[in-house]
Amino acid sequence: SQQGEEDPQALSIQEGENATMNCSYKTSINNLQWYRQNSGRGLVHLILIRSNEREKHSGRLRVTLDTSKKSSSLLITASRAADTASYFCATDAKADGLTFGKGTHLIIQP
Amino acid sequence: AAGVIQSPRHLIKEKRETATLKCYPIPRHDTVYWYQQGPGQDPQFLISFYEKMQSDKGSIPDRFSAQQFSDYHSELNMSSLELGDSALYFCASSLGENRVDEQYFGPGTRLTVT
Repeated sequence: SQQGEEDPQALSIQEGENATMNCSYKTSINNLQWYRQNSGRGLVHLILIRSNEREKHSGRLRVTLDTSKKSSSLLITASRAADTASYFCATDAKADGLTFGKGTHLIIQP
Repeated sequence: AAGVIQSPRHLIKEKRETATLKCYPIPRHDTVYWYQQGPGQDPQFLISFYEKMQSDKGSIPDRFSAQQFSDYHSELNMSSLELGDSALYFCASSLGENRVDEQYFGPGTRLTVT
């Protein structure tokens, strides 16, 4: 498996429900970031969590990081139709370049 | 606030042709990164520049080259294009080297090779 793999690959939930996406990585990191991408569009930075942090909140987003398990989760609470997008985690395994995972495609059913 | 600008936004080329993608970083940003995202794939880091020098190299094919100019804009040159080069190419910029935590992404250039 590759650095920064998302789980699940696709997720479909009802509007108002919570969505949880997971990411696993292999190497040591300084930080982990989550990005959102609407279909065929640019990457939008959502949140960054540093290796010495365990949990971080931003609006309806909650990110956790477990460095012992080399995993992170992104929780979107009270989902909205506009949250439909692909979500990627990215780690700083390389000196400058980010290493992205495969992404989770989230579909919010109205 | 000014963001990363990429041009063109869409580009259609034929096999074996060449293409040049341009990236204009956020003002005062001195580091530029290039990523390639194939259809349904995750973005892959290609190459980065800091202060006009190559800083890090990822999975960039030998057919591709890039440089950063004195005004910090960067160009990705792609030669002998192949069908598999069809992808979304992102540029990101940051202030300072090794600032993966502060990369700002552009909207991308969609390259289609026919």
